[in-house]
Amino acid sequence: GAVVSQHPSWVICKSGTSVKIECRSLDFQATTMFWYRQFPKQSLMLMATSNEGSKATYEQGVEKDKFLINHASLTLSTLTVTSAHPEDSSFYICSPRTGIGEQYFGPGTRLTVT
Amino acid sequence: AQSVSQHNHHVILSEAASLELGCNYSYGGTVNLFWYVQYPGQHLQLLLKYFSGDPLVKGIKGFEAEFIKSKFSFNLRKPSVQWSDTAEYFCAVNPLGAGSYQLTFGKGTKLSVIP
Repeated sequence: GAVVSQHPSWVICKSGTSVKIECRSLDFQATTMFWYRQFPKQSLMLMATSNEGSKATYEQGVEKDKFLINHASLTLSTLTVTSAHPEDSSFYICSPRTGIGEQYFGPGTRLTVT
Repeated sequence: AQSVSQHNHHVILSEAASLELGCNYSYGGTVNLFWYVQYPGQHLQLLLKYFSGDPLVKGIKGFEAEFIKSKFSFNLRKPSVQWSDTAEYFCAVNPLGAGSYQLTFGKGTKLSVIP
């Protein structure tokens, strides 16, 4: 159990374009979704937290208009990086959490902006 | 804000050697503590967690961790490592009473086990 998928696993895009990353909890319901980013050789940094059907809460320094998060259902959340720039190149990881406090991690999406 | 420190960036051990990875956190209140492992090319997986009770916690694959409240530490140990333990290990803290379930991660320790 507790399978989390992310799509795509790797994406290259041109500067100025937008990229959507999907995160699905395949066999459980995620009442809360965390989105992290991880730079090489660094820790996971929390970007935002969202509850199903509610607006996401963003961490300080994370632009909500740039990183659009949608948590429309208990099994799907999306992160859209709008007008991507090279400095947005990173590894993005979703982390769904069940209602009883079990937190899992997706395999991550590597974004490269050229 | 709380922070998590992992003392070693990269640890190299021979098979059968004992392992101890340090983790310290800065938060004065009650915390939940976690160790996650990320094998090469795979996603994060939970190794073990501490919520309350016995401060010596046993996890999967022979790992254990000890919570020492007075030292704000939660070190990970394994008596005899195997080549398959090669991975990156992350310590994480969730402060209770912070009003959220957010995890704060350490920077990770890369473990390389030499056959």
